[in-house]
Amino acid sequence: SAVISQKPSRDICQRGTSLTIQCQVDSQVTMMFWYRQQPGQSLTLIATANQGSEATYESGFVIDKFPISRPNLTFSTLTVSNMSPEDSSIYLCSVGRDSRDTQYFGPGTRLTVL
Amino acid sequence: AQSVTQLGSHVSVSEGALVLLRCNYSSSVPPYLFWYVQYPNQGLQLLLKYTTGATLVKGINGFEAEFKKSETSFHLTKPSAHMSDAAEYFCAVSGSNDYKLSFGAGTTVTVRA
Repeated sequence: SAVISQKPSRDICQRGTSLTIQCQVDSQVTMMFWYRQQPGQSLTLIATANQGSEATYESGFVIDKFPISRPNLTFSTLTVSNMSPEDSSIYLCSVGRDSRDTQYFGPGTRLTVL
Repeated sequence: AQSVTQLGSHVSVSEGALVLLRCNYSSSVPPYLFWYVQYPNQGLQLLLKYTTGATLVKGINGFEAEFKKSETSFHLTKPSAHMSDAAEYFCAVSGSNDYKLSFGAGTTVTVRA
């Protein structure tokens, strides 16, 4: 499986600010995804990060709030914009070699918004 | 569309006892089924998966799961619990033609000495 790293591992941010989370993979992968895990809850898919084109967002998530970049096959960023305390969550990226491959997850970014 | 139900949000077992975590799924197409484990303050680690073929799947750390189509279940078991098994466990499903994972609510396992 691929080695996946995320930066930062955790952060505490002020309301109204934005945070960009990075996901780096040690090999080229076709599929990259971003998930949110709210406190005490399961994972929810935010979007699929598409290389060279706009991300595909799931219902309830919009580009203005969660802009995503995917400049190449090993790197993606997720920005959480204009944050509020409700955005306090763990944000995880996952990767797969193709659309039918197992997804492997990064270690997550723990975000607290005050 | 796919969905997952995990029965029991918390399971407590004694060290050396059987671990049984229940997962039922709903899928309109042949499912791919997964169990992931999340240790405190860490990301998700794949325990095992079922795609096709043998319905009894063996994973890491002594865990196994059996796909039962007639019962739409994919329960996770381990014969003898270890203290290091304390974690949160997530069952997930995707369609065989759809990469999107749908996760269950998770089951927290505690192991008593």
